[in-house]
Amino acid sequence: GAGVSQSPSNKVTEKGKDVELRCDPISGHTALYWYRQSLGQGLEFLIYFQGNSAPDKSGLPSDRFSAERTGGSVSTLTIQRTQQEDSAVYLCASSFKANYGYTFGSGTRLTVV
Amino acid sequence: AQSVTQLDSQVPVFEEAPVELRCNYSSSVSVYLFWYVQYPNQGLQLLLKYLSGSTLVKGINGFEAEFNKSQTSFHLRKPSVHISDTAEYFCAVTSGSNDYKLSFGAGTTVTVRA
Repeated sequence: GAGVSQSPSNKVTEKGKDVELRCDPISGHTALYWYRQSLGQGLEFLIYFQGNSAPDKSGLPSDRFSAERTGGSVSTLTIQRTQQEDSAVYLCASSFKANYGYTFGSGTRLTVV
Repeated sequence: AQSVTQLDSQVPVFEEAPVELRCNYSSSVSVYLFWYVQYPNQGLQLLLKYLSGSTLVKGINGFEAEFNKSQTSFHLRKPSVHISDTAEYFCAVTSGSNDYKLSFGAGTTVTVRA
């Protein structure tokens, strides 16, 4: 596609429910990243996928968070048993090369009530 | 590990005035530096990047930044701002060709007034 597409754009969920956030990167981009942007917290790295290599999960805040990337393209970030502190904007980005500059999607605003 | 400090959290500026957003980084190795802009309710958009070569980098929308290795800085400038430049600006760094995690600064909110 022309850009990085994320869905849904907004998600309101009840505490304790599971949510799935989707990212469709730019075609041909082998690198895919998830970041979290919380109010007053800046941008926080979550996870990185590069080609067929094992993902770098070092930024995931807890074991309630997981992500996968199918066929080297679409990625899904799953948050289990959501907590109020999970409320944030979740941003996905893709890149042709690791340091070529990232293209960000518009994000998914998650609100846990 | 690298880190980024954006020295100003808020920068109010009048339309057609110049603006400078300050960014300092810390890293023990060579770096790649980026400036991103985030307009309200939108994702981040790449303004410009420094990978190597000329230390003066020109980006979109009339912005430019200068890489200063001795001062470990990468300040962003625009000689004349518009109302539409009101946004949040993020400086980011990654070090070395094998490092892919962008470390972001806390952001600088620019508010342009008529």
